[in-house]
Amino acid sequence: DGGITQSPKYLFRKEGQNVTLSCEQNLNHDAMYWYRQDPGQGLRLIYYSQIVNDFQKGDIAEGYSVSREKKESFPLTVTSAQKNPTAFYLCASSYSSGSSYNEQFFGPGTRLTVL
Amino acid sequence: AQKVTQAQTEISVVEKEDVTLDCVYETRDTTYYLFWYKQPPSGELVFLIRRNSFDEQNEISGRYSWNFQKSTSSFNFTITASQVVDSAVYFCALSPDSNYQLIWGAGTKLIIKP
Repeated sequence: DGGITQSPKYLFRKEGQNVTLSCEQNLNHDAMYWYRQDPGQGLRLIYYSQIVNDFQKGDIAEGYSVSREKKESFPLTVTSAQKNPTAFYLCASSYSSGSSYNEQFFGPGTRLTVL
Repeated sequence: AQKVTQAQTEISVVEKEDVTLDCVYETRDTTYYLFWYKQPPSGELVFLIRRNSFDEQNEISGRYSWNFQKSTSSFNFTITASQVVDSAVYFCALSPDSNYQLIWGAGTKLIIKP
């Protein structure tokens, strides 16, 4: 079955540690996205990538980093510079980000808690 | 400014009642798309519908229906004869042609009581 996988489902981190969240898709989508969701709030865009080896900052990129070495994969690193990283992180993909038409497909999310 | 407003933070109804979720958007683009997504307790967002700015026909899919009115910049979502499985957070989103990024509303939490 085609879809988006995110791992792990739950992640605990100590303050000062970097952690990497995995996102893999087998939908052959060009574009991939990372969102952050805080309780009772909507989605905020962290980073997005329209093509391999290229990515752009979203609205809240500070304290995060990404890479896009393969079309299928778009890992997100939450660095120690992120002041309040406890949140629910959602990865998404779409056929192209160069069109307002394409709906985004979402993974199951990773819930990150900083201890 | 481009913005999506879902003024209803939480709605609670008894099963089998009809319920309407409001979505009001702002954009200066003449070409744009509007979306509704459902986020069940599991957390994964599920795409429900896409509507383009030139198509104001109402859409019905089973118990779900959508009312798009450009005159009021609204794209409301109605669930008829609600069921407990409809309990979720529902998000409205705007994708303007000038931006290609989804602009999200804050979501409406819908609780259907048995």
